[in-house]
Order: sequence, then structure tokens, then C-alpha cells
Amino acid sequence: QVQLVQSGAEVKKPGASVKVSCKASGYTFTSYDINWVRQATGQGLEWMGWMKPNGGNTGYAQKFQGRVTLTRNTSISTAYMELNSLRSEDTAVYYCARGIRVRGVNDYWGQGTLVTVSS
Amino acid sequence: DIVMTQSPDSLAVSLGERATINCKSSQSVLYSSNNKNYLAWYQQKPGQPPKLLIYWASSRESGVPDRFSGSGSGTDFTLTISSLQAEDVAVYYCQQDYRGLTFGGGTKVEIK
Repeated sequence: QVQLVQSGAEVKKPGASVKVSCKASGYTFTSYDINWVRQATGQGLEWMGWMKPNGGNTGYAQKFQGRVTLTRNTSISTAYMELNSLRSEDTAVYYCARGIRVRGVNDYWGQGTLVTVSS
Repeated sequence: DIVMTQSPDSLAVSLGERATINCKSSQSVLYSSNNKNYLAWYQQKPGQPPKLLIYWASSRESGVPDRFSGSGSGTDFTLTISSLQAEDVAVYYCQQDYRGLTFGGGTKVEIK
């Protein structure tokens, strides 16, 4: 069965960086996009960017341009999201999701990773 | 960026009654090349990731109960729950994937 398993919760200080991993299983990793979406407590969903594991092409939401980097390691079917220059407003649950571009959807989601930014 | 506006922010519906959620996009999300609206609906329960319900505005994802239906085209869309069940209590989001990817602000559905 398709699964996306994310790394555990992180606590970071303002100005630091965080790298969240998302390990895919149950499907061919390079055949689907990976989207990253975050959600602050009690708030809505915010898209950060996408990556095409086959080739590594990426696209970022304007809000996060220059501060987020999406990468992957196809040998272990794992995608990564690194966010730099953290501030308190970045405290949120970060999700990876499998994207199907032709349908414009994210059909499977990771369990989420809580990133807390606090001094 | 395409802005997605949902209404209402919340609604309370009696069990077995109909729930209707609206979503409006700031520009059309209809792809002329395939005549598909790149509009999806998700359900999110507390402590869980979103779950895909509807894609292409009106196509139900496999395994989703048929009481959930989507309609609309261009810029105006609706998610309808025909007969609300207790397990449908959740926040519902619309999402466009026409240009970038953006979500509506969410609609919280509760039992009256």
C-alpha cells in the first residue's frame, strides 16, 4: 500500500534551518510528484512547493522562494524539504503529499511533522 | 496567485440533512485543452492529514461515499454532503492546481 512516512518532530531556534524527510513506499517514487504543504495550529493549508522526483525539477510558492529547498534521493525513495532562516511564524505541521498532476490532486499524504520555532 | 475563497467559514447541520460548501476562485481553473476544472476537495479531521474526496470538480475519489458530490465550473464550485453523518464532522478545503497550488480557507462542518 502507498505510504509516505515523515521524520519526527523538530524544535529549532529562530534563524536556524530544518530539514524534513518523507520516505515513500508502495509505488514507484519517480512516477509521481511530491508536494509540500504546511499548516499552522488551527489554521488552513498552505502550499510550499513541488518536486518531480524523476529529474529533480522543482517549483516554489512565491512566499517561500529563496528560503525553501526541495530535494530527493531516488535510491532510497525519499524526498526532503529544507526551510532556512526560521522564524516563529514557521511553527507548523509540515506535510508531504503525492501529487498527480494530470488530476491536479494530492492523493496520499504523510502523517505530518511538527516544527516548532522558539527561542 | 489564484485566490480560493470558501463560504461559509462554518456550518452546523442536523444529522441526515444536506450540507453545502461553496468555493470561488479568483480566475478560471478550467483547462481548455482537456475541458477539466483543476479543482479538488479535501476533508480533514483533527490530528489527521487531509483526505482527497473530489477531483476535476465533480469526480469522486475511489472509496469516497456517494453522499459526497462536487459541482461547478470555471470559478464557482460546490461540495455537497447529501445526508450528513456523524463521521462527516471535519474541516473541508477546496484546492486549485491550475496555476501553482492554492487552498481555500476551509469550512468547518458540525452537527446541529
